[in-house]
Amino acid sequence: NAGVTQTPKFQVLKTGQSMTLQCAQDMNHNSMYWYRQDPGMGLRLIYYSASEGTTDKGEVPNGYNVSRLNKREFSLRLESAAPSQTSVYFCASRDGGAGELFFGEGSRLTVL
Amino acid sequence: QQQVKQSPQSLIVQKGGISIINCAYENTAFDYFPWYQQFPGKGPALLIAIRPDVSEKKEGRFTISFNKSAKQFSLHIMDSQPGDSATYFCAASRSGSARQLTFGSGTQLTVLP
Repeated sequence: NAGVTQTPKFQVLKTGQSMTLQCAQDMNHNSMYWYRQDPGMGLRLIYYSASEGTTDKGEVPNGYNVSRLNKREFSLRLESAAPSQTSVYFCASRDGGAGELFFGEGSRLTVL
Repeated sequence: QQQVKQSPQSLIVQKGGISIINCAYENTAFDYFPWYQQFPGKGPALLIAIRPDVSEKKEGRFTISFNKSAKQFSLHIMDSQPGDSATYFCAASRSGSARQLTFGSGTQLTVLP
C-alpha cells in the first residue's frame, strides 16, 4: 500500500541550482497537488493538476514548474533555486474535486 | 489573503483534558471543512470532516463543531492522550473545485503525560 510516494526525501542545493521533485500515486486518482509547508504558514498550494494533461497555478507558483507526466506521476521543478524555496514539499492526490486528500511523506529541501 | 484563520498556534494540555482548536473562514462558498493531523516527519492525514448541513460531527474522541452564521468551526479532542501530540490543520474548500483545500496555519498540540 504505497499511496503517494515522493523522492527524494532530503535534498540540499546551492542557490541557482536546479532540481526536480518526483511524485507518484498508485490510487488511480485524477487530481494531484504540490504544497509547501513553512512554519506558521500552514500548507500553501504551489501547483495542481485536476486531471491528466492539465496543470494550474496555485497560491505560490513563482519559481516552480510542474509536469503531469501521466495519471500516476506529477513532478515539481525548481529551475534556479533560491533560499526562499527552503521548505518541506508535499505531494498529494485525490479522486476528482472533492473528498480526502492523500499526502506523501514530504521532501525536505534546503537551499544554501 | 488568508482565508482560513486558525488558533491557537500551540497548545499544551494535560493527559485526560480537552483540547480545543478554532478556525474561522471568510469565503461563504466553502462547503467542506476537514481537519488534518500531522505527526513529525509524516504527511498530513485526514482526521475528520464536516459539511455545513450539520452543526456537529463526532468520531470517537474527536468532534467538529460548526457555526455557519459565525463562519467558524472547531475541533474538540476529548480525553486527550500523549499519542494525540501532533500538528493539526483545519481546511476548507468548495465542492466541485479541484483547485485546492485552503489550509489554516496549524496548531502544534502537546499532551503531557
